[in-house]
Amino acid sequence: QQNVQQSPESLIVPEGARTSLNCTFSDSASQYFWWYRQHSGKAPKALMSIFSNGEKEEGRFTIHLNKASLHFSLHIRDSQPSDSALYLCAVGSGSFNKLTFGAGTRLAVCP
Amino acid sequence: EAAVTQSPRSKVAVTGGKVTLSCHQTNNHDYMYWYRQDTGHGLRLIHYSYVADSTEKGDIPDGYKASRPSQENFSLILELASLSQTAVYFCASSEGFAETLYFGSGTRLTVL
Repeated sequence: QQNVQQSPESLIVPEGARTSLNCTFSDSASQYFWWYRQHSGKAPKALMSIFSNGEKEEGRFTIHLNKASLHFSLHIRDSQPSDSALYLCAVGSGSFNKLTFGAGTRLAVCP
Repeated sequence: EAAVTQSPRSKVAVTGGKVTLSCHQTNNHDYMYWYRQDTGHGLRLIHYSYVADSTEKGDIPDGYKASRPSQENFSLILELASLSQTAVYFCASSEGFAETLYFGSGTRLTVL
């Protein structure tokens, strides 16, 4: 069964900092990789995804995937207080779009 | 944006009682899911469905049943609620393979 681990568990950064969040997975046959963001008391919402090795950038957010290392990461440039949330990584495979989520990294961005 | 509506928003149930959580989506998505969220565990998949009148077991199905009577509606049923089922439950839908999951606002269930 897929095992997804996130690090760190929590993180406090100053406004404007570059933030890096990590996710490791156990199943080398995994096919798609997501980051979701959940503000306090709200529903998780998709941030971005990647399906092949390499890097993908969308605005202030960049995702890196290294399948050989069973690792992917999310980098946030110029972190804002509104980025304060629980960040969940998720890994999927197969045709039913079943995702296995990590336990999350709680990010606080201080003004 | 995809709309997924859950009811009730919160519920208090007694141990051994029956609980039904409801989910409705208006986006014509084939795939629907039930996840539970506990502190320290992220989201864990309970049941899912890819077509009406059919449900599949997820990673933690014990103690739960699911029902998908139509494409729009997906229910989660706890026949005999237990203390360990206290959690926040999220319903989600998606179009299919590798597509975005759209989550409802969640149901906070407390079993006493």
